Amino acid sequence: QVQLQESGPGLVEPSGTLSLTCAVSGDSISSSDWWSWLRQTPGKGLEWIGEIYRGGNTNYNPSLKSRVTISVDKSKNHFSLKLSSMTAADTAVYYCARNGRYSLASWGQGTLVTVSS
Amino acid sequence: QTVVTQEPSFSVSPGGTVTLTCGLSSGSVSTSYHPSWYQQTPGQAPRTLIYETNTRSSGVPDRFSGSILGNKAALTITGAQADDECDYYCVLYMGSDYYVFGTGTKVTVL
Repeated sequence: QVQLQESGPGLVEPSGTLSLTCAVSGDSISSSDWWSWLRQTPGKGLEWIGEIYRGGNTNYNPSLKSRVTISVDKSKNHFSLKLSSMTAADTAVYYCARNGRYSLASWGQGTLVTVSS
Repeated sequence: QTVVTQEPSFSVSPGGTVTLTCGLSSGSVSTSYHPSWYQQTPGQAPRTLIYETNTRSSGVPDRFSGSILGNKAALTITGAQADDECDYYCVLYMGSDYYVFGTGTKVTVL
């Protein structure tokens, strides 16, 4: 049973860059094709941020594409999210997930990120 | 901007049946959008219920079923139970390699 665990700072300053890591356990990150980042805000609900293929190809939400970078480190069995130019609107619970067939099959428990000075 | 619409709330009696829908602000939902459905209780991560329109995820009771009804994707709960009271989200794959979540439906069982 794969488990995913998000980690990173809970507080980011306005205009700063968020960096989060998703540690995968119980399975190899190479066992699945795609891995995603998502977030949930009270105002906008759930939002898909982007995904990365085990080989490194990425797809991003068009509305966030200019600010997002997702990367994978197979040696550490984790993948990461960077989101730049953070504003209060980016305050959210951030989730990582393993993709299934055109779906999000397994989710991490989520981590709250607050943008504030 | 693609908007995926869901009913804001639904109420169902214990043992009753409720059908939630997932539509597009413009156009029809078909299997080509690979609709999936997720259940979320407060403070928890979403749980996958249905993928590829009508395939139940492992461990999901068969009282949950997915379909296409008219021009929308649908999630039907048959024989609703108290612990079905939570939020439900649909997701559509937009074909340009990105996913869009629906606005979510809050289901009350009473």
